[in-house]
Amino acid sequence: DQQVKQNSPSLSVQEGRISILNCDYTNSMFDYFLWYKKYPAEGPTFLISISSIKDKNEDGRFTVFLNKSAKHLSLHIVPSQPGDSAVYFCAASREGSSNTGKLIFGQGTTLQVKP
Amino acid sequence: NAGVTQTPKFQVLKTGQSMTLQCAQDMNHNSMYWYRQDPGMGLRLIYYSASEGTTDKGEVPNGYNVSRLNKREFSLRLESAAPSQTSVYFCASSEGPRYSWGFGIFNEQFFGPGTRLTVL
Repeated sequence: DQQVKQNSPSLSVQEGRISILNCDYTNSMFDYFLWYKKYPAEGPTFLISISSIKDKNEDGRFTVFLNKSAKHLSLHIVPSQPGDSAVYFCAASREGSSNTGKLIFGQGTTLQVKP
Repeated sequence: NAGVTQTPKFQVLKTGQSMTLQCAQDMNHNSMYWYRQDPGMGLRLIYYSASEGTTDKGEVPNGYNVSRLNKREFSLRLESAAPSQTSVYFCASSEGPRYSWGFGIFNEQFFGPGTRLTVL
């Protein structure tokens, strides 16, 4: 039972344009969501997060949107740069009830930004 | 600060052999985690330690054991390796959930560089 799903395995965009990566979840008890970026042969690095009390969080070129009614979150990268080419994972947790910090990850989306 | 370090970087085992993957963090974090990454599966939690002295199973604990040696170190042991355990293993640590006024919950995990394990 995949509780966090990234249905697009890959995405290709032109440099300077917007990249939109999507993530769906099934568990309405999730209250904290994160995006990680991963380059080959490296560990995932934290990118941006959002708590369920918010519907938007921005950090520079990266914005995460949360639609709780649709159980959907998205990551917008504007403008996209070739260095953004990586695998992006969304993750979710139920901090409010468990307080363990356990994350459930999606399968990942490979983003390619073409110069 | 080195962050999260893992040893070894690469390992090849034969079926039935045992080994221990080591993980250490220098950020004084309370919580530590072990994940495995397989193609098309994302990262799946094997075991975690919410605080020093405690360990709990994650999504895929079968065939593994862990030890939270102290606050800094969290090791993962394969007692009898199987080809199905061929994977990339990541250790992570976090301070633990914090609550920020106006933002809500905040609890990012920091990952090590990974160990690539092949079981023949």
